Amino acid sequence: GVTQSPTHLIKTRGQQVTLRCSSQSGHNTVSWYQQALGQGPQFIFQYYREEENGRGNFPPRFSGLQFPNDSSELNVNALELDDSALYLCASSLDVETGFHEQYFGPGTRLTVT
Amino acid sequence: AQKVTQAQTEISVVEKEDVTLDCVYETRDTTYYLFWYKQPPSGELVFLIRRNSFDEQNEISGRYSWNFQKSTSSFNFTITASQVVDSAVYFCALTGFQKLVFGTGTRLLVSP
Repeated sequence: GVTQSPTHLIKTRGQQVTLRCSSQSGHNTVSWYQQALGQGPQFIFQYYREEENGRGNFPPRFSGLQFPNDSSELNVNALELDDSALYLCASSLDVETGFHEQYFGPGTRLTVT
Repeated sequence: AQKVTQAQTEISVVEKEDVTLDCVYETRDTTYYLFWYKQPPSGELVFLIRRNSFDEQNEISGRYSWNFQKSTSSFNFTITASQVVDSAVYFCALTGFQKLVFGTGTRLLVSP
């Protein structure tokens, strides 16, 4: 399945953070979502073949990387209190062949103080 | 822009009751997919079903059933004979460009 690390993280406002995700075997598309407390997940961006393939309404301080081994990272610079949320990674099959089910990891809960 | 509305914030039922979770969506796309996900307290979103816009057949999977009505832009989810293990937050989602658009979720509490 999809794995994410770390499980929990506490950071201070202004710091930078890197969250990691390992996709399900055979999946080459990864999407990241932010889920604030009591809300539905919000799309941050998607990576396909190591390039950004779509982005939601998030500022440039949210950036990502996808590696050849289908692992990926979400980086957030200059953390703000509102960045406190559950960050979910989802992997899916080749996005070019259509929209496939996205399989989600357990998430990383980020707290910014 | 796509939008998903789950008007029921929280539903409480007693075990063995049937419960229906409502989902209304908006999209201008002619081809789209609708999903339901379950999010237990652990946080992981568990995929339940995908339905494409051309298939309005209702689907049943065990105690779960889904009613897709394109005319009313609704994709409702019914749990028959609910169990305590069904307690979770349930999200309806719609495909947008390269992403899923989620509703705000319905928290289902099933008490013994």
